Amino acid sequence: EPEVTQTPSHQVTQMGQEVILRCVPISNHLYFYWYRQILGQKVEFLVSFYNNEISEKSEIFDDQFSVERPDGSNFTLKIRSTKLEDSAMYFCASRPGTGVFFQHFGDGTRLSIL
Amino acid sequence: GQQLNQSPQSMFIQEGEDVSMNCTSSSIFNTWLWYKQDPGEGPVLLIALYKAGELTSNGRLTAQFGITRKDSFLNISASIPSDVGIYFCAGRTSNTGKLIFGQGTTLQVKP
Repeated sequence: EPEVTQTPSHQVTQMGQEVILRCVPISNHLYFYWYRQILGQKVEFLVSFYNNEISEKSEIFDDQFSVERPDGSNFTLKIRSTKLEDSAMYFCASRPGTGVFFQHFGDGTRLSIL
Repeated sequence: GQQLNQSPQSMFIQEGEDVSMNCTSSSIFNTWLWYKQDPGEGPVLLIALYKAGELTSNGRLTAQFGITRKDSFLNISASIPSDVGIYFCAGRTSNTGKLIFGQGTTLQVKP
């Protein structure tokens, strides 16, 4: 069964450093998302992406965050200057298209900021 | 902002028992989804609900989309040890597909 894959599974970074989290959504999906989950808390929406542009973003997704779909398969989340509070699990998700709203999630990247 | 209140926060039950959990909101949602998350993994879709009043089953799982569109419940019948995990409800209002998640219900099943 097709799945969303995320790399790396765990990323440890010094505060202030840039980090790029990578995702390969399911191949025929058109809508892409990033969510984060701070340890022990609920999953929170960060950003949605469609047709090569951001379609919606949350207040968490400030100027330090950016997303990109550099080619036909990868979808990346960049955090420019990481802060301690960026430590969380980051999940990528995708869905097929209009009218189909359930999202398939990857297994996440655990980001630890030191 | 939009919030989903999920209850109970945790449940510890005996194998074979039925389980019920629910989500409520002051906002109207157009889609309700139920996900299960195992440790170290991403949420896995269990059931998707698209219409108010809709009742949908997936094996031992049954979920309903409330007629007010502000709530949903999930029932698990005859629980087994592999049902252990965290169950999240998620609601959609936006056409972008953005999901709002509940706080999760942690289920533990005693063999």
